[in-house]
Amino acid sequence: AQTVTQSQPEMSVQEAETVTLSCTYDTSENNYYLFWYKQPPSRQMILVIRQEAYKQQNATENRFSVNFQKAAKSFSLKISDSQLGDTAMYFCAFMPGDDKIIFGKGTRLHILP
Amino acid sequence: DGGITQSPKYLFRKEGQNVTLSCEQNLNHDAMYWYRQDPGQGLRLIYYSQIVNDFQKGDIAEGYSVSREKKESFPLTVTSAQKNPTAFYLCASSDGATHRDTQYFGPGTRLTVL
Repeated sequence: AQTVTQSQPEMSVQEAETVTLSCTYDTSENNYYLFWYKQPPSRQMILVIRQEAYKQQNATENRFSVNFQKAAKSFSLKISDSQLGDTAMYFCAFMPGDDKIIFGKGTRLHILP
Repeated sequence: DGGITQSPKYLFRKEGQNVTLSCEQNLNHDAMYWYRQDPGQGLRLIYYSQIVNDFQKGDIAEGYSVSREKKESFPLTVTSAQKNPTAFYLCASSDGATHRDTQYFGPGTRLTVL
């Protein structure tokens, strides 16, 4: 079975620091897509970043970047210069080929003032 | 504004009752999805629809039903057969009829069984 594992249930960092959230996945597929979603206290799921497996270059969106290691099946999210508004649950998600998306259980991130 | 709306935000149900959760999108997206979120768990797929008048079961479809009579609407009915319906329900949509397109989410409905 294809799975997504987020090994850090909860993390806390000081404002302005850099934090990295871990995500690993298990698949035998070669073509797939990876996502990080953010769910703030409002509970609205917001897409943070998307990566296509065939692209070697790591995706970047402003302060958010990923470290995609295809051979290791790892897809970590780095948040630079963290802000109080980054406080949220972060979900890693994996979409194999043309199949349904699979979500990890999430990492609760607290940004401390 | 383009987006996905879900109503109501909070819903209370007595045991034995069916309830319907609304999901509407004006993004002209082909595909729509329903997820269930429980504490400490990721999202689990209930049903999805890639085109009008067609839908498929997800991983936890038992006790739920859907319809897709219009492109912009994908209501979810939680039936009395669902043994533990208290949860947060999220609707999503994506452009295109394949799963590879990015999904965008509505604000969710919190269902509580009394």
